[in-house]
Amino acid sequence: QQQVKQSPQSLIVQKGGISIINCAYENTAFDYFPWYQQFPGKGPALLIAIRPDVSEKKEGRFTISFNKSAKQFSLHIMDSQPGDSATYFCAANSGGYQKVTFGTGTKLQVIP
Amino acid sequence: DGGITQSPKYLFRKEGQNVTLSCEQNLNHDAMYWYRQDPGQGLRLIYYSQIVNDFQKGDIAEGYSVSREKKESFPLTVTSAQKNPTAFYLCASSRTGDSNQPQHFGDGTRLSIL
Repeated sequence: QQQVKQSPQSLIVQKGGISIINCAYENTAFDYFPWYQQFPGKGPALLIAIRPDVSEKKEGRFTISFNKSAKQFSLHIMDSQPGDSATYFCAANSGGYQKVTFGTGTKLQVIP
Repeated sequence: DGGITQSPKYLFRKEGQNVTLSCEQNLNHDAMYWYRQDPGQGLRLIYYSQIVNDFQKGDIAEGYSVSREKKESFPLTVTSAQKNPTAFYLCASSRTGDSNQPQHFGDGTRLSIL
């Protein structure tokens, strides 16, 4: 069964701290790993994505680290801000018809 | 602005009733998707469509039906056969069905049972 396991389920970080969310997968056919950010009452929005031939990708305060051999990838949010408070989903895509498997989500709260 | 419009934002269903959720996109995307979101379970794929007049079942298609008569429209019908329809429904689209294409989401429809 294709699964993406995400942890932690919830996370509280102080303003200015580093938020770290981890995901693990089993299916080696996955070839694209996006992260989505979702605010309450809204749809998810693409935050950052990585391919398995790259070990790290950084966009502003957001960094994906990818460990192909361990089949793990993580999202790091540097200098976390209250506006980052949202639910974050990792995902993994495979196949010609974009079969996307989502993690179960991490609710991040950044406190002042 | 280009995007995905879902309507209505809130919907209530009576027992034995079919209801239809609307999804329209003006991104000129070929592929469209319907997901169901329940607390603690992430997003689960109901149906997807790669092209007009063609669609495929996702992981939880039972009790749902779709149509794709126009490129920009992908309505979802929640039938009376779906016994637990209360959820947040999300429509998405991508430029193509290739795996490296990000999906763009609408702001969802929250369906509840009366």
